[in-house]
Amino acid sequence: SQTIHQWPATLVQPVGSPLSLECTVEGTSNPNLYWYRQAAGRGLQLLFYSVGIGQISSEVPQNLSASRPQDRQFILSSKKLLLSDSGFYLCAWSVQAGSGNTIYFGEGSWLTVV
Amino acid sequence: GNSVTQMEGPVTLSEEAFLTINCTYTATGYPSLFWYVQYPGEGLQLLLKATKADDKGSNKGFEATYRKETTSFHLEKGSVQVSDSAVYFCALSGNGYSSASKIIFGSGTRLSIRP
Repeated sequence: SQTIHQWPATLVQPVGSPLSLECTVEGTSNPNLYWYRQAAGRGLQLLFYSVGIGQISSEVPQNLSASRPQDRQFILSSKKLLLSDSGFYLCAWSVQAGSGNTIYFGEGSWLTVV
Repeated sequence: GNSVTQMEGPVTLSEEAFLTINCTYTATGYPSLFWYVQYPGEGLQLLLKATKADDKGSNKGFEATYRKETTSFHLEKGSVQVSDSAVYFCALSGNGYSSASKIIFGSGTRLSIRP
């Protein structure tokens, strides 16, 4: 069966420090991968998605970047965090192409920038 | 472009009450429709889905019917429990075989059930 894991689960970072959130998927090949952010009390905002190794699409201009160095690994990064980067970050995956693609989420990572 | 609109929350009900959370969508073609649930402090879990018109998704006592004529996918449950307290997200994914297919989420509806 397929599983998705992301880490760390919780982190507190000072303004201006770097960020690296990692996500891995097991049990499937060539998945679509996604990073979402959920600000406190708000809905989901799609940040990045990837359809293959090295392929990244950015949905919104921001202080963050994403990379996909391996088929089932997706990394969210920042060189210098801002206070507004605080939130709940969710990694997700779905099968490639086809209709009815269910998206499966990781456990989420709470980021507090202080 | 595709979009999802769901009713504003929070929704507060008493245990055993009937629940409806409205969701309407805008999309070209025949999207697939989903309801996800997020319990406090956790990621999102798929609750149910429907992939074509008139399909009914169901799980854990929740149901939603894909209504193309009204472009709706309302979530219902006949008798809610305190454990149903969570945030519910309606979502759609485009049809076809585009490798860039993405899933669009509504803004979420927070549900609180009183004992």
